[in-house]
This record gives sequence, C-alpha cells and structure tokens, in this order.
Amino acid sequence: DAGVIQSPRHEVTEMGQEVTLRCKPISGHNSLFWYRQTMMRGLELLIYFNNNVPIDDSGMPEDRFSAKMPNASFSTLKIQPSEPRDSAVYFCASSYRDGPYEQYFGPGTRLTVT
Amino acid sequence: RKEVEQDPGPFNVPEGATVAFNCTYSNSASQSFFWYRQDCRKEPKLLMSVYSSGNEDGRFTAQLNRASQYISLLIRDSKLSDSATYLCVVNLNTGGFKTIFGAGTRLFVKA
Repeated sequence: DAGVIQSPRHEVTEMGQEVTLRCKPISGHNSLFWYRQTMMRGLELLIYFNNNVPIDDSGMPEDRFSAKMPNASFSTLKIQPSEPRDSAVYFCASSYRDGPYEQYFGPGTRLTVT
Repeated sequence: RKEVEQDPGPFNVPEGATVAFNCTYSNSASQSFFWYRQDCRKEPKLLMSVYSSGNEDGRFTAQLNRASQYISLLIRDSKLSDSATYLCVVNLNTGGFKTIFGAGTRLFVKA
C-alpha cells in the first residue's frame, strides 16, 4: 500500500514568493495533519483536518499560512509571501480517524527560503 | 514548563546494552501515548503505542505511569540500527484532540 505522499520533496525559493506544498493521505484515512520541524522548535502541529474539515488551526503561525483539503485524497499548505524563517521540513501525516490514534507520516518537504 | 519533556541526550551505548528513555507530560487530560522513531533526515515512524498495562514488542518495552505522568521506553540488546532519535508523543483530549511531540532523545549505538 502506498503511504502518505508529499510533493515536492525539496523546494528552494526566494523571499516573497508563494510556496505550495501538497499531500495525499493514505487511502481510507479520515484525518490529515500538517507539521513543521526545525532544529530550534522541534516538531510542531500546524493544522489538522477530519473528514476534510479543519478542526484545529491554532498552530498556524500567521496569516501568511493557509491550508485546504478539497477532498479526501488531497491537501495543500500554502505560504504567501514566504520568509527565510519559514525554512523547515514540512511533514504531512494521516490517521484512520480523529482521536488518539496512530499517525503515519509522509517523507516531508524540505523548504529553503533565501 | 513544556507539555512534553524528554532528555535530549545523546545517549551513547555499546551494542548489546540496555537503554531506557523517559518522557514526562504535564496535562492530566492526556489520553493516548506513543513512541516514534526518527532517523536522520527522514520522517517520524511509529514505533509502538503505550498502554497502561505496559506493552512489549521484541526488544522494546513501553510503560505508562499515569499517577506520575510519565512514559518510558526500554530497548534491550541494542543494535547499531537502533541509532536514531526517539520521540515521545502525547494526545490530549481538550474537546478536540491535540497531538504534542516531545523534542526527542538521540541514541547512538556503537560497535
């Protein structure tokens, strides 16, 4: 079975540009999570969806960040405009359902903003 | 105080050693607990769930102590391939579920 798929795997962009990260969760999973990982702050939950509906976006750092889940098999995380401090690895994860269940991570997108 | 705290290490142990990691959490609303493993420049991968009764998977044993609010991971007969960062994960039930990762403990197993 395919795991969580993320694209692109690497993204290098200049400050001020728009960045869109993509995620395809595991088929049949109803919950999707976006995380950001940096050396300084570790792994932080940005937002999560259940049945395509955003449930908790309290981790989204500011208005420059937005996330959508138009259907059960696709989600995007957009940063506009990007800043150097957004440089990090962004992970998408999915789980079978909302609640205290195991999450399965994609390989991540390594974002560098210059 | 952080909601989930781990000793960052690193732990440097020889092959065959037994090593234990602890993780403390501050919120009594914590409902479920996991250990994840993360290799360098890779995604976190689920290692095992942690149950109140304790659970074992081969060389790995996880324990939960709700009264003292900590979980532990014991690795017996360490292998070189166990070298990784081990992340403690807590799910809170605060009306909705919130997942919190610890900062991780680095383990190096040496020949």
